[in-house]
Amino acid sequence: DIQMTQSPSSLSASVGDRVTITCRASQSISNYLNWYQQKPGKAPKLLISAASSLQSGVPSRFSGSGSGTDFTLTISSLQPEDYATYYCQQSHSIPYTFGLGTKLEIK
Amino acid sequence: QLQLQESGPGLVKPSETLSLTCTVSGGAISSSNYYWAWIRQPPGKGLEWIGYISYRGSTYYNPSLKSRVTISMDTSENQFSLKLNSVSAADTAMYYCARERGSRNYYDFWGQGTLVTVSS
Repeated sequence: DIQMTQSPSSLSASVGDRVTITCRASQSISNYLNWYQQKPGKAPKLLISAASSLQSGVPSRFSGSGSGTDFTLTISSLQPEDYATYYCQQSHSIPYTFGLGTKLEIK
Repeated sequence: QLQLQESGPGLVKPSETLSLTCTVSGGAISSSNYYWAWIRQPPGKGLEWIGYISYRGSTYYNPSLKSRVTISMDTSENQFSLKLNSVSAADTAMYYCARERGSRNYYDFWGQGTLVTVSS
């Protein structure tokens, strides 16, 4: 199985901050990397697919980059509604696997 | 707008079979290029892909669960289902159904999730 390692596991930041979350795959996955946001008690929400393709309706402050094994999710200016847990997911090889998540908290 | 809704027992006894159904509205599960997936999340933990069934009825399962899992579909009811047998406490989790976009295999629509507890 492809292991997905996210860092940091938790992060405290203030409104307006620029935040970067990283995800590393245990082997090359090209750009088969997706990012999700999950708020407490809710299902995950797709933010970005194919490493950098922003989903319709997702604010432009979210962006993704990377290819191969190293990927990043960036929030350019943190808003109050962005406090959540973020997961990366590789869709290159079955079984599809997720990172353990990055919990973004208010500083 | 596509909507998915999980249904099934919230409590299952150890060694028995967990059975859940996902009812899809706003789109047909027989639509090409979409797969229909089950994903679970133990309390306070991360997400685990269980498997999917394609619009053609082909299935793929997580090898870690393959011997215990069956995913099926009923196009007349626009539903797909999950069966997980011989459950234990380790199978206690929130179970989500989701639409998986074929070829890129990301999940763009999710159900709200249903909590299944395995306990006697």
